Amino acid sequence: AQSVTQPDIHITVSEGASLELRCNYSYGATPYLFWYVQSPGQGLQLLLKYFSGDTLVQGIKGFEAEFKRSQSSFNLRKPSVHWSDAAEYFCAVGAQSGYSTLTFGKGTMLLVSP
Amino acid sequence: DTEVTQTPKHLVMGMTNKKSLKCEQHMGHRAMYWYKQKAKKPPELMFVYSYEKLSINESVPSRFSPECPNSSLLNLHLHALQPEDSALYLCASSQGLQETQYFGPGTRLLVL
Repeated sequence: AQSVTQPDIHITVSEGASLELRCNYSYGATPYLFWYVQSPGQGLQLLLKYFSGDTLVQGIKGFEAEFKRSQSSFNLRKPSVHWSDAAEYFCAVGAQSGYSTLTFGKGTMLLVSP
Repeated sequence: DTEVTQTPKHLVMGMTNKKSLKCEQHMGHRAMYWYKQKAKKPPELMFVYSYEKLSINESVPSRFSPECPNSSLLNLHLHALQPEDSALYLCASSQGLQETQYFGPGTRLLVL
């Protein structure tokens, strides 16, 4: 069975500082990997995804993520955080085959301090 | 365009009421999903429709009844809900079952 671990429940970053949100997954084969962002009371917005190919993936809003198979990780990064980035971030893993859907991590709440 | 719309945005209902949530997408996606999300938790999958047929039911109580009248619409019929069913209900769609899911803004449900 697939699983996702986001080890940080909360992270506080100063505005303008760099950001890295951690995500580790467990899956028997090459997974599909996603990062979603959710503002309070809103739906989930797709930031980026990895299916195959280049392991450094660029997304919207200046985010990027790197797939590291050896570490089973898919960490999300941003070089300079803006106050509007404050939200809940979910990492998710999906199967490339078979009858399976998304498995979400528990989420990381990003707080941005002035 | 990757828009999924949901109505209503907010819903308050009593435990004896019958109500419905509606989800719509016009991206030609053939898979549609219902999720339930409690505060400070990740979304939990409830139902999956593929080509308008129910593919996955994650052991959801019968007081929740999904319906997919056509490839663009997904409904969730609610009857005799409990206060613990209060949550954000999210709809999503994808091209196929292993494809990227796009989420709607959700319906905030309060059961009194």
